[in-house]
Amino acid sequence: DQQVKQNSPSLSVQEGRISILNCDYTNSMFDYFLWYKKYPAEGPTFLISISSIKDKNEDGRFTVFLNKSAKHLSLHIVPSQPGDSAVYFCAGADSGGGADGLTFGKGTHLIIQP
Amino acid sequence: DAGITQSPRHKVTETGTPVTLRCHQTENHRYMYWYRQDPGHGLRLIHYSYGVKDTDKGEVSDGYSVSRSKTEDFLLTLESATSSQTSVYFCAISRGAPGQGYEGSGAFFGQGTRLTVV
Repeated sequence: DQQVKQNSPSLSVQEGRISILNCDYTNSMFDYFLWYKKYPAEGPTFLISISSIKDKNEDGRFTVFLNKSAKHLSLHIVPSQPGDSAVYFCAGADSGGGADGLTFGKGTHLIIQP
Repeated sequence: DAGITQSPRHKVTETGTPVTLRCHQTENHRYMYWYRQDPGHGLRLIHYSYGVKDTDKGEVSDGYSVSRSKTEDFLLTLESATSSQTSVYFCAISRGAPGQGYEGSGAFFGQGTRLTVV
Protein backbone atom coordinates (compact mmCIF):
# COMPACT_ATOMS: atom_id res chain seq x y z
CA ASP A 1 0.00 0.00 0.00
CA GLN A 2 1.79 3.09 -1.28
CA GLN A 3 1.07 6.03 0.95
CA VAL A 4 3.12 8.45 -1.16
CA LYS A 5 2.97 8.17 -4.94
CA GLN A 6 5.12 9.75 -7.57
CA ASN A 7 3.53 8.52 -10.75
CA SER A 8 6.10 9.86 -13.18
CA PRO A 9 9.32 7.82 -13.04
CA SER A 10 11.03 10.38 -15.24
CA LEU A 11 10.58 13.88 -16.60
CA SER A 12 12.54 15.71 -19.27
CA VAL A 13 12.56 19.53 -19.33
CA GLN A 14 14.45 22.05 -21.38
CA GLU A 15 16.96 24.26 -19.58
CA GLY A 16 15.42 27.56 -18.55
CA ARG A 17 11.86 26.24 -18.53
CA ILE A 18 9.74 25.28 -15.55
CA SER A 19 9.98 21.78 -14.07
CA ILE A 20 6.90 20.51 -12.26
CA LEU A 21 7.18 17.36 -10.20
CA ASN A 22 4.03 15.84 -8.76
CA CYS A 23 3.25 13.79 -5.69
CA ASP A 24 0.06 12.30 -4.28
CA TYR A 25 -0.52 10.89 -0.83
CA THR A 26 -3.20 8.70 0.69
CA ASN A 27 -2.47 8.92 4.43
CA SER A 28 -4.80 11.56 5.91
CA MET A 29 -2.58 11.81 8.97
CA PHE A 30 0.29 13.30 6.97
CA ASP A 31 0.61 16.97 7.74
CA TYR A 32 4.21 17.64 6.84
CA PHE A 33 5.84 17.12 3.47
CA LEU A 34 9.35 17.34 2.16
CA TRP A 35 11.21 17.12 -1.12
CA TYR A 36 14.64 15.61 -1.40
CA LYS A 37 17.07 15.66 -4.30
CA LYS A 38 19.46 12.81 -4.96
CA TYR A 39 22.47 12.56 -7.22
CA PRO A 40 23.95 9.15 -8.12
CA ALA A 41 26.21 7.65 -5.44
CA GLU A 42 25.22 10.33 -2.93
CA GLY A 43 22.72 10.50 -0.12
CA PRO A 44 19.45 12.41 -0.55
CA THR A 45 19.68 16.09 0.32
CA PHE A 46 16.84 18.07 1.83
CA LEU A 47 15.39 20.61 -0.58
CA ILE A 48 12.22 22.19 0.77
CA SER A 49 9.33 21.38 3.09
CA ILE A 50 5.78 22.46 3.76
CA SER A 51 3.42 21.96 6.65
CA SER A 52 -0.30 21.51 6.16
CA ILE A 53 -1.10 24.92 7.60
CA LYS A 54 0.30 26.40 4.40
CA ASP A 55 -0.51 25.89 0.74
CA LYS A 56 2.73 27.26 -0.63
CA ASN A 57 6.36 27.56 0.39
CA GLU A 58 9.14 29.18 -1.61
CA ASP A 59 12.89 28.98 -1.43
CA GLY A 60 14.70 30.65 -4.30
CA ARG A 61 13.96 28.78 -7.52
CA PHE A 62 11.99 26.11 -5.67
CA THR A 63 8.33 26.35 -4.73
CA VAL A 64 6.20 23.62 -3.21
CA PHE A 65 2.41 23.74 -3.48
CA LEU A 66 0.08 21.73 -1.27
CA ASN A 67 -3.54 20.94 -2.10
CA LYS A 68 -4.87 19.20 0.98
CA SER A 69 -8.31 18.48 -0.39
CA ALA A 70 -6.79 16.66 -3.36
CA LYS A 71 -3.99 15.14 -1.26
CA HIS A 72 -1.56 16.44 -3.83
CA LEU A 73 1.64 18.40 -3.76
CA SER A 74 3.94 19.64 -6.45
CA LEU A 75 7.45 21.01 -6.68
CA HIS A 76 8.12 23.79 -9.17
CA ILE A 77 11.64 24.63 -10.27
CA VAL A 78 12.01 27.89 -12.17
CA PRO A 79 14.15 28.29 -14.18
CA SER A 80 15.46 24.76 -14.57
CA GLN A 81 19.23 24.41 -14.68
CA PRO A 82 21.49 21.51 -15.72
CA GLY A 83 22.49 20.92 -12.10
CA ASP A 84 18.86 20.18 -11.31
CA SER A 85 19.15 16.87 -13.13
CA ALA A 86 18.69 14.35 -10.33
CA VAL A 87 16.14 12.03 -8.74
CA TYR A 88 13.57 13.87 -6.64
CA PHE A 89 11.80 12.18 -3.76
CA CYS A 90 8.62 13.37 -2.14
CA ALA A 91 8.07 12.38 1.51
CA GLY A 92 5.25 12.71 4.00
CA ALA A 93 5.11 12.59 7.78
CA ASP A 94 2.60 12.71 10.59
CA SER A 95 4.07 15.36 12.88
CA GLY A 96 2.03 14.04 15.77
CA GLY A 97 2.97 10.47 15.10
CA GLY A 98 6.26 10.43 16.86
CA ALA A 99 9.64 9.54 15.55
CA ASP A 100 8.79 7.01 12.89
CA GLY A 101 10.43 8.93 10.12
CA LEU A 102 9.33 9.87 6.68
CA THR A 103 7.40 7.89 4.10
CA PHE A 104 8.91 8.32 0.67
CA GLY A 105 7.62 8.03 -2.85
CA LYS A 106 9.55 6.06 -5.45
CA GLY A 107 11.12 9.14 -6.95
CA THR A 108 11.07 11.02 -10.25
CA HIS A 109 14.18 11.28 -12.37
CA LEU A 110 14.37 14.84 -13.68
CA ILE A 111 16.50 15.36 -16.77
CA ILE A 112 17.28 18.91 -17.83
CA GLN A 113 18.03 19.13 -21.54
CA PRO A 114 20.44 21.82 -22.75
CA ASP B 1 26.59 19.32 5.58
CA ALA B 2 25.34 17.44 8.63
CA GLY B 3 28.07 15.36 10.24
CA ILE B 4 27.05 11.83 9.33
CA THR B 5 29.48 9.10 8.46
CA GLN B 6 28.49 5.66 7.26
CA SER B 7 30.90 2.75 7.25
CA PRO B 8 31.76 0.80 5.29
CA ARG B 9 30.82 2.59 2.06
CA HIS B 10 30.90 -0.64 0.08
CA LYS B 11 30.72 -4.26 1.16
CA VAL B 12 30.41 -7.61 -0.56
CA THR B 13 29.46 -10.50 1.68
CA GLU B 14 28.33 -14.09 1.32
CA THR B 15 24.85 -15.38 1.98
CA GLY B 16 24.41 -16.47 5.57
CA THR B 17 27.11 -14.28 7.08
CA PRO B 18 26.39 -11.57 9.64
CA VAL B 19 26.98 -7.98 8.60
CA THR B 20 26.99 -4.78 10.64
CA LEU B 21 26.73 -1.30 9.16
CA ARG B 22 27.65 1.70 11.24
CA CYS B 23 26.25 5.19 11.28
CA HIS B 24 28.12 7.84 13.24
CA GLN B 25 26.92 11.42 13.78
CA THR B 26 28.58 14.45 15.29
CA GLU B 27 25.44 16.61 15.43
CA ASN B 28 24.06 15.28 18.73
CA HIS B 29 20.68 14.73 17.04
CA ARG B 30 18.19 12.66 18.94
CA TYR B 31 16.64 10.75 16.05
CA MET B 32 18.42 8.31 13.78
CA TYR B 33 17.06 6.17 10.95
CA TRP B 34 18.10 3.38 8.63
CA TYR B 35 16.59 3.29 5.15
CA ARG B 36 17.21 1.08 2.17
CA GLN B 37 16.91 2.17 -1.44
CA ASP B 38 15.98 -0.27 -4.15
CA PRO B 39 14.99 0.28 -7.78
CA GLY B 40 11.24 0.68 -8.07
CA HIS B 41 10.80 1.10 -4.32
CA GLY B 42 12.31 4.43 -3.39
CA LEU B 43 13.47 4.75 0.20
CA ARG B 44 11.97 2.43 2.79
CA LEU B 45 12.42 2.69 6.55
CA ILE B 46 14.06 -0.31 8.23
CA HIS B 47 14.44 0.79 11.85
CA TYR B 48 14.65 4.02 13.74
CA SER B 49 15.82 5.32 17.10
CA TYR B 50 14.43 8.14 19.20
CA GLY B 51 17.12 8.05 21.84
CA VAL B 52 19.86 5.92 23.37
CA LYS B 53 18.57 2.36 23.65
CA ASP B 54 15.20 3.45 22.26
CA THR B 55 14.53 1.86 18.90
CA ASP B 56 11.57 0.66 16.89
CA LYS B 57 10.74 -1.14 13.68
CA GLY B 58 10.00 0.44 10.36
CA GLU B 59 8.28 -0.78 7.23
CA VAL B 60 10.85 -3.43 6.21
CA SER B 61 12.46 -4.60 9.47
CA ASP B 62 12.42 -8.38 8.94
CA GLY B 63 15.96 -9.78 8.94
CA TYR B 64 17.45 -6.66 10.52
CA SER B 65 18.27 -5.58 14.05
CA VAL B 66 19.66 -2.32 15.40
CA SER B 67 21.40 -1.00 18.46
CA ARG B 68 22.08 2.44 19.82
CA SER B 69 24.26 2.45 22.90
CA LYS B 70 25.50 6.03 22.39
CA THR B 71 23.85 9.12 20.97
CA GLU B 72 26.34 9.28 18.12
CA ASP B 73 26.22 5.67 16.88
CA PHE B 74 23.42 3.65 15.31
CA LEU B 75 24.28 0.14 14.15
CA LEU B 76 22.33 -1.94 11.67
CA THR B 77 22.92 -5.70 11.75
CA LEU B 78 21.92 -8.30 9.22
CA GLU B 79 22.05 -11.45 11.32
CA SER B 80 22.28 -13.77 8.32
CA ALA B 81 22.55 -11.91 5.06
CA THR B 82 20.38 -12.94 2.12
CA SER B 83 20.50 -11.88 -1.53
CA SER B 84 17.26 -9.92 -1.06
CA GLN B 85 19.20 -7.63 1.28
CA THR B 86 21.47 -6.48 -1.52
CA SER B 87 20.71 -2.78 -1.53
CA VAL B 88 21.99 0.69 -0.81
CA TYR B 89 21.56 1.56 2.85
CA PHE B 90 21.19 5.11 4.07
CA CYS B 91 21.41 6.41 7.59
CA ALA B 92 19.59 9.65 8.43
CA ILE B 93 19.47 11.89 11.46
CA SER B 94 17.10 14.59 12.64
CA ARG B 95 17.04 16.94 15.59
CA GLY B 96 13.37 16.35 16.20
CA ALA B 97 10.61 14.21 14.80
CA PRO B 98 9.70 15.37 11.28
CA GLY B 99 7.47 18.42 11.23
CA GLN B 100 7.62 19.08 14.92
CA GLY B 101 8.59 22.55 15.93
CA TYR B 102 9.81 24.26 12.83
CA GLU B 103 9.79 24.40 9.08
CA GLY B 104 12.66 22.60 7.47
CA SER B 105 12.88 19.95 10.15
CA GLY B 106 13.77 17.25 7.72
CA ALA B 107 16.15 14.36 8.07
CA PHE B 108 19.74 14.62 6.87
CA PHE B 109 21.21 11.64 5.12
CA GLY B 110 24.60 10.00 5.02
CA GLN B 111 26.39 9.04 1.82
CA GLY B 112 25.11 5.48 1.83
CA THR B 113 26.53 1.96 2.02
CA ARG B 114 26.31 -0.27 -1.01
CA LEU B 115 25.89 -3.84 0.20
CA THR B 116 26.05 -6.82 -2.13
CA VAL B 117 25.15 -10.27 -0.84
CA VAL B 118 26.44 -13.06 -3.12
